[in-house]
Amino acid sequence: RKEVEQDPGPFNVPEGATVAFNCTYSNSASQSFFWYRQDCRKEPKLLMSVYSSGNEDGRFTAQLNRASQYISLLIRDSKLSDSATYLCVVNMDTGRRALTFGSGTRLQVQP
Amino acid sequence: DVKVTQSSRYLVKRTGEKVFLECVQDMDHENMFWYRQDPGLGLRLIYFSYDVKMKEKGDIPEGYSVSREKKERFSLILESASTNQTSMYLCASSRSGTYNEQFFGPGTRLTVL
Repeated sequence: RKEVEQDPGPFNVPEGATVAFNCTYSNSASQSFFWYRQDCRKEPKLLMSVYSSGNEDGRFTAQLNRASQYISLLIRDSKLSDSATYLCVVNMDTGRRALTFGSGTRLQVQP
Repeated sequence: DVKVTQSSRYLVKRTGEKVFLECVQDMDHENMFWYRQDPGLGLRLIYFSYDVKMKEKGDIPEGYSVSREKKERFSLILESASTNQTSMYLCASSRSGTYNEQFFGPGTRLTVL
């Protein structure tokens, strides 16, 4: 089983749609969770951290479900500019100061 | 504006050559990382460093070495390049502390012929 698993997609949605991605992680002791965004042929950039109580940033909502070991990202009112690959990132709490990246979910928002 | 720069955007080398990839950050970050990114495999950690002259192996260190002589610079070395090292290489940096935001460079697309 992969340590951090994501559906690769692509998710093809029309502008204005609501879309959600899930990501599962293998280590129940993981403490830190993030969503990064990567545009085509660009470097990843932090989109948002994921807090235990869930958090929102504009049209984006991130949630954590520790019991089922997954995090989610919800995007409301999708824009063309949201088209990108979304990377789920988790610390695997192995005592190592590094994060583990999922392979990403590709989103394509269509006009 | 925070910045991580990498020495080359595109690089073509021959099998057996020694390859140096350079990364420089101007944010005075303690932590620096080297990843490779391949389709379907995502980002995989090669090596990271949390201080000058300190290094730790990541998930796929075989065939690579690193050097960090100055805080702002982290080099990845392929001692004898092989075709299976053809990939996109991404450098990142972050503040000290375990799980702070990582800032990435633009990447180096390395092709080994």
